[in-house]
Amino acid sequence: QKEVEQNSGPLSVPEGAIASLNCTYSDRGSQSFFWYRQYSGKSPELIMFIYSNGDKEDGRFTAQLNKASQYVSLLIRDSQPSDSATYLCAVVGSGGGADGLTFGKGTHLIIQP
Amino acid sequence: DVKVTQSSRYLVKRTGEKVFLECVQDMDHENMFWYRQDPGLGLRLIYFSYDVKMKEKGDIPEGYSVSREKKERFSLILESASTNQTSMYLCASTAGTVNTGELFFGEGSRLTVL
Repeated sequence: QKEVEQNSGPLSVPEGAIASLNCTYSDRGSQSFFWYRQYSGKSPELIMFIYSNGDKEDGRFTAQLNKASQYVSLLIRDSQPSDSATYLCAVVGSGGGADGLTFGKGTHLIIQP
Repeated sequence: DVKVTQSSRYLVKRTGEKVFLECVQDMDHENMFWYRQDPGLGLRLIYFSYDVKMKEKGDIPEGYSVSREKKERFSLILESASTNQTSMYLCASTAGTVNTGELFFGEGSRLTVL
Protein backbone atom coordinates (compact mmCIF):
# COMPACT_ATOMS: atom_id res chain seq x y z
CA GLN A 1 0.00 0.00 0.00
CA LYS A 2 1.49 3.28 -1.08
CA GLU A 3 1.44 5.94 1.60
CA VAL A 4 1.95 9.67 1.48
CA GLU A 5 2.21 11.35 4.86
CA GLN A 6 1.70 14.99 5.75
CA ASN A 7 1.24 16.83 9.01
CA SER A 8 -2.40 17.88 9.02
CA GLY A 9 -1.74 21.16 10.84
CA PRO A 10 -3.00 23.75 11.09
CA LEU A 11 0.32 25.39 10.38
CA SER A 12 0.16 29.04 11.30
CA VAL A 13 2.70 31.43 9.72
CA PRO A 14 2.91 35.24 9.95
CA GLU A 15 2.40 37.22 6.78
CA GLY A 16 5.70 37.78 4.97
CA ALA A 17 7.42 34.78 6.55
CA ILE A 18 8.42 31.51 4.90
CA ALA A 19 5.93 28.65 5.12
CA SER A 20 7.46 25.18 5.02
CA LEU A 21 5.29 22.20 4.18
CA ASN A 22 6.59 18.65 4.37
CA CYS A 23 5.66 15.30 2.90
CA THR A 24 7.09 11.79 3.12
CA TYR A 25 6.24 8.82 0.92
CA SER A 26 6.61 5.09 1.33
CA ASP A 27 7.18 3.84 -2.23
CA ARG A 28 10.92 4.15 -2.81
CA GLY A 29 10.43 3.80 -6.56
CA SER A 30 8.12 6.82 -6.79
CA GLN A 31 8.83 8.88 -9.86
CA SER A 32 6.99 12.17 -9.78
CA PHE A 33 5.89 14.52 -7.04
CA PHE A 34 3.28 17.25 -6.99
CA TRP A 35 1.87 19.93 -4.77
CA TYR A 36 -1.77 20.87 -5.07
CA ARG A 37 -3.48 23.78 -3.33
CA GLN A 38 -7.10 23.50 -2.24
CA TYR A 39 -9.04 26.48 -0.98
CA SER A 40 -11.94 25.79 1.34
CA GLY A 41 -14.95 24.61 -0.65
CA LYS A 42 -12.96 24.44 -3.88
CA SER A 43 -11.24 21.74 -5.90
CA PRO A 44 -7.50 21.08 -5.82
CA GLU A 45 -5.30 22.86 -8.33
CA LEU A 46 -1.73 22.00 -9.28
CA ILE A 47 0.89 24.54 -8.20
CA MET A 48 4.22 22.70 -8.44
CA PHE A 49 5.74 19.48 -9.69
CA ILE A 50 9.22 18.04 -9.32
CA TYR A 51 10.84 14.95 -10.78
CA SER A 52 14.53 15.19 -9.86
CA ASN A 53 16.43 15.54 -6.62
CA GLY A 54 17.10 19.10 -5.58
CA ASP A 55 15.16 22.33 -5.68
CA LYS A 56 12.73 23.73 -8.22
CA GLU A 57 11.64 27.34 -7.97
CA ASP A 58 8.56 29.01 -9.45
CA GLY A 59 7.95 32.53 -8.22
CA ARG A 60 7.42 32.47 -4.47
CA PHE A 61 7.21 28.67 -4.43
CA THR A 62 10.10 26.23 -4.14
CA ALA A 63 9.70 22.47 -4.24
CA GLN A 64 12.45 20.34 -2.75
CA LEU A 65 12.95 16.62 -3.36
CA ASN A 66 15.23 14.16 -1.59
CA LYS A 67 14.60 10.67 -2.96
CA ALA A 68 17.12 9.02 -0.63
CA SER A 69 15.15 10.28 2.36
CA GLN A 70 11.81 9.86 0.57
CA TYR A 71 10.98 13.42 1.40
CA VAL A 72 9.46 16.28 -0.56
CA SER A 73 8.75 19.77 0.68
CA LEU A 74 7.17 23.02 -0.45
CA LEU A 75 8.46 26.41 0.63
CA ILE A 76 6.35 29.51 0.21
CA ARG A 77 8.31 32.74 0.54
CA ASP A 78 6.77 36.07 1.49
CA SER A 79 3.59 34.33 2.59
CA GLN A 80 0.35 36.15 1.86
CA PRO A 81 -3.09 35.72 3.43
CA SER A 82 -4.22 34.42 0.02
CA ASP A 83 -1.88 31.46 0.52
CA SER A 84 -4.12 30.22 3.32
CA ALA A 85 -5.38 26.88 2.05
CA THR A 86 -4.86 23.15 2.36
CA TYR A 87 -1.80 21.88 0.52
CA LEU A 88 -1.90 18.34 -0.82
CA CYS A 89 1.21 16.36 -1.64
CA ALA A 90 0.71 13.81 -4.44
CA VAL A 91 2.98 11.09 -5.75
CA VAL A 92 3.17 8.88 -8.83
CA GLY A 93 4.42 5.53 -7.60
CA SER A 94 6.79 3.01 -9.06
CA GLY A 95 3.98 1.70 -11.25
CA GLY A 96 4.47 4.74 -13.40
CA GLY A 97 1.09 6.25 -12.93
CA ALA A 98 -0.84 3.17 -13.98
CA ASP A 99 -2.94 3.66 -10.88
CA GLY A 100 -3.11 7.41 -10.74
CA LEU A 101 -1.80 9.77 -8.13
CA THR A 102 -1.67 8.96 -4.44
CA PHE A 103 -2.51 11.99 -2.33
CA GLY A 104 -1.54 12.83 1.21
CA LYS A 105 -4.26 14.05 3.56
CA GLY A 106 -3.08 17.62 3.27
CA THR A 107 -1.66 20.32 5.50
CA HIS A 108 -3.91 23.21 6.47
CA LEU A 109 -1.90 26.43 6.22
CA ILE A 110 -3.02 29.67 7.84
CA ILE A 111 -1.21 32.92 7.04
CA GLN A 112 -1.80 35.43 9.81
CA PRO A 113 -2.01 39.09 8.69
CA ASP B 1 -9.30 26.59 -20.36
CA VAL B 2 -9.87 22.97 -19.47
CA LYS B 3 -13.29 22.47 -18.07
CA VAL B 4 -14.42 19.46 -16.07
CA THR B 5 -18.10 19.65 -15.29
CA GLN B 6 -19.86 17.59 -12.69
CA SER B 7 -23.58 17.62 -13.26
CA SER B 8 -24.72 17.85 -9.65
CA ARG B 9 -23.09 19.96 -6.95
CA TYR B 10 -25.32 18.76 -4.13
CA LEU B 11 -27.38 15.60 -3.86
CA VAL B 12 -29.42 14.08 -1.06
CA LYS B 13 -30.39 10.45 -1.46
CA ARG B 14 -31.92 7.74 0.65
CA THR B 15 -30.23 4.51 1.66
CA GLY B 16 -30.66 1.89 -1.06
CA GLU B 17 -31.21 4.35 -3.90
CA LYS B 18 -29.21 4.10 -7.11
CA VAL B 19 -27.11 7.20 -7.64
CA PHE B 20 -25.48 8.47 -10.82
CA LEU B 21 -22.73 11.08 -10.72
CA GLU B 22 -21.88 12.47 -14.13
CA CYS B 23 -18.64 14.06 -15.24
CA VAL B 24 -17.85 15.64 -18.60
CA GLN B 25 -14.57 17.13 -19.79
CA ASP B 26 -14.13 19.27 -22.86
CA MET B 27 -10.41 18.87 -23.63
CA ASP B 28 -10.34 15.45 -25.27
CA HIS B 29 -8.42 13.97 -22.33
CA GLU B 30 -7.79 10.24 -22.40
CA ASN B 31 -7.63 9.75 -18.66
CA MET B 32 -10.43 10.31 -16.20
CA PHE B 33 -10.65 9.63 -12.47
CA TRP B 34 -13.14 9.53 -9.65
CA TYR B 35 -11.97 10.40 -6.14
CA ARG B 36 -13.81 10.84 -2.90
CA GLN B 37 -12.62 13.30 -0.28
CA ASP B 38 -13.42 12.95 3.40
CA PRO B 39 -12.16 14.93 6.40
CA GLY B 40 -9.15 13.24 7.91
CA LEU B 41 -8.91 10.73 5.08
CA GLY B 42 -7.93 12.95 2.18
CA LEU B 43 -8.47 12.13 -1.47
CA ARG B 44 -8.94 8.46 -2.26
CA LEU B 45 -9.12 6.98 -5.75
CA ILE B 46 -12.28 5.02 -6.52
CA TYR B 47 -11.98 4.20 -10.23
CA PHE B 48 -10.17 5.49 -13.26
CA SER B 49 -10.29 5.06 -16.99
CA TYR B 50 -7.63 5.40 -19.67
CA ASP B 51 -9.89 4.93 -22.66
CA VAL B 52 -13.47 4.54 -23.76
CA LYS B 53 -15.11 1.44 -22.29
CA MET B 54 -12.02 0.83 -20.18
CA LYS B 55 -12.01 1.00 -16.39
CA GLU B 56 -9.63 0.16 -13.60
CA LYS B 57 -10.24 -0.14 -9.87
CA GLY B 58 -8.60 2.34 -7.60
CA ASP B 59 -7.98 2.00 -3.88
CA ILE B 60 -11.62 1.92 -2.72
CA PRO B 61 -13.88 0.54 -5.49
CA GLU B 62 -16.24 -1.41 -3.25
CA GLY B 63 -19.83 -0.24 -3.60
CA TYR B 64 -19.15 1.69 -6.78
CA SER B 65 -19.10 1.08 -10.51
CA VAL B 66 -18.28 3.31 -13.46
CA SER B 67 -19.18 3.76 -17.09
CA ARG B 68 -17.26 5.37 -19.90
CA GLU B 69 -19.20 5.07 -23.13
CA LYS B 70 -17.80 8.26 -24.65
CA LYS B 71 -14.36 9.78 -24.29
CA GLU B 72 -15.61 12.97 -22.69
CA ARG B 73 -17.93 11.40 -20.14
CA PHE B 74 -17.14 9.32 -17.06
CA SER B 75 -19.96 8.31 -14.77
CA LEU B 76 -19.79 7.02 -11.20
CA ILE B 77 -22.61 4.75 -10.09
CA LEU B 78 -23.63 3.81 -6.59
CA GLU B 79 -25.84 0.78 -7.12
CA SER B 80 -27.34 0.92 -3.62
CA ALA B 81 -26.31 3.99 -1.69
CA SER B 82 -25.30 3.62 1.93
CA THR B 83 -24.69 6.22 4.63
CA ASN B 84 -20.94 5.57 4.57
CA GLN B 85 -20.92 6.83 1.00
CA THR B 86 -21.80 10.32 2.18
CA SER B 87 -18.85 12.30 0.87
CA MET B 88 -17.49 14.85 -1.58
CA TYR B 89 -16.90 13.21 -4.95
CA LEU B 90 -14.35 14.73 -7.28
CA CYS B 91 -13.92 13.91 -10.94
CA ALA B 92 -10.62 14.68 -12.66
CA SER B 93 -9.08 14.33 -16.07
CA THR B 94 -5.65 14.58 -17.64
CA ALA B 95 -4.09 14.23 -21.04
CA GLY B 96 -1.28 11.74 -21.61
CA THR B 97 -0.04 9.94 -18.53
CA VAL B 98 -0.44 10.99 -14.93
CA ASN B 99 3.31 11.40 -14.72
CA THR B 100 2.72 14.97 -15.71
CA GLY B 101 0.62 15.22 -12.59
CA GLU B 102 -1.72 17.89 -13.78
CA LEU B 103 -5.13 16.61 -12.94
CA PHE B 104 -7.95 18.98 -13.76
CA PHE B 105 -10.70 18.64 -11.21
CA GLY B 106 -14.38 19.34 -11.42
CA GLU B 107 -16.08 21.40 -8.74
CA GLY B 108 -17.19 18.32 -6.87
CA SER B 109 -20.46 16.66 -6.02
CA ARG B 110 -21.40 16.61 -2.36
CA LEU B 111 -23.54 13.56 -1.72
CA THR B 112 -25.51 13.01 1.46
CA VAL B 113 -27.10 9.60 1.99
CA LEU B 114 -29.80 9.51 4.65
